[in-house]
Amino acid sequence: QKEVEQDPGPLSVPEGAIVSLNCTYSNSAFQYFMWYRQYSRKGPELLMYTYSSGNKEDGRFTAQVDKSSKYISLFIRDSQPSDSATYLCAMGDAGNNRKLIWGLGTSLAVNP
Amino acid sequence: EPEVTQTPSHQVTQMGQEVILRCVPISNHLYFYWYRQILGQKVEFLVSFYNNEISEKSEIFDDQFSVERPDGSNFTLKIRSTKLEDSAMYFCASSGPGQETQYFGPGTRLLVL
Repeated sequence: QKEVEQDPGPLSVPEGAIVSLNCTYSNSAFQYFMWYRQYSRKGPELLMYTYSSGNKEDGRFTAQVDKSSKYISLFIRDSQPSDSATYLCAMGDAGNNRKLIWGLGTSLAVNP
Repeated sequence: EPEVTQTPSHQVTQMGQEVILRCVPISNHLYFYWYRQILGQKVEFLVSFYNNEISEKSEIFDDQFSVERPDGSNFTLKIRSTKLEDSAMYFCASSGPGQETQYFGPGTRLLVL
C-alpha cells in the first residue's frame, strides 16, 4: 500500500462551486498535514497546516483531518478561476527529520 | 514577504557533468531541504539539513549528491556526475525554528542530455 494516495483527477467545476479534495494515508505515525497549491511549473505554495484531528478554517479554505480513518480533506468554498491549480497533500511524523511525504496531487480547473 | 529563492531557474547539462543548484532560504530559518519532482510524478524528499549537517537523506540521495551551506545565506545541492534520470524539477525548502511548515522556492528545472 502506498504511503499517501491522492486521486490525480482532473477535477473540473463551475465557478462558485464547493470543491472537496482528499488524501488517504497508511502510516499512523504521521502527525502533521499540509496542503500545498502548485501552479504549472512553479514551486508548491503552502495553503494550510494542521497538527491534529479536526477542522481548520482560513478564508475560503477548510482543512479537515480524521486520524482514525487516516483521511484528510481540503474544502474550497466559492471557488474562483484563480483556484485552478494542482493541489498536493503532504504529511510528516513528529521526528526531527521533518521529511514530508507527498500525494500525487489533484489537478483542479474552475471554469468561469 | 520573505521567500525562498533558487538559481538557476533552468539548467541543461550533458550526462556525466557536475551541476550545482543554489538556494537562498528564508533568512531566519534553520532547517533546509531539497526535494525533486520528476514530470508527472510525486514530489520526493532528497535530504534535510540542520545545524550544518545532514539530518536525513533518502535512498535517492546517493554518493553522487552532496549538500553544503557555504556561507550564512546559501544552501547548495551538487550532483557530481549527472544521469539522464536526474532530469527533474528540484525544489529547495526551509522552515523556521520550532516549525514543521516548509516554504518552497520556485524550483530549478534540470535537464540532462
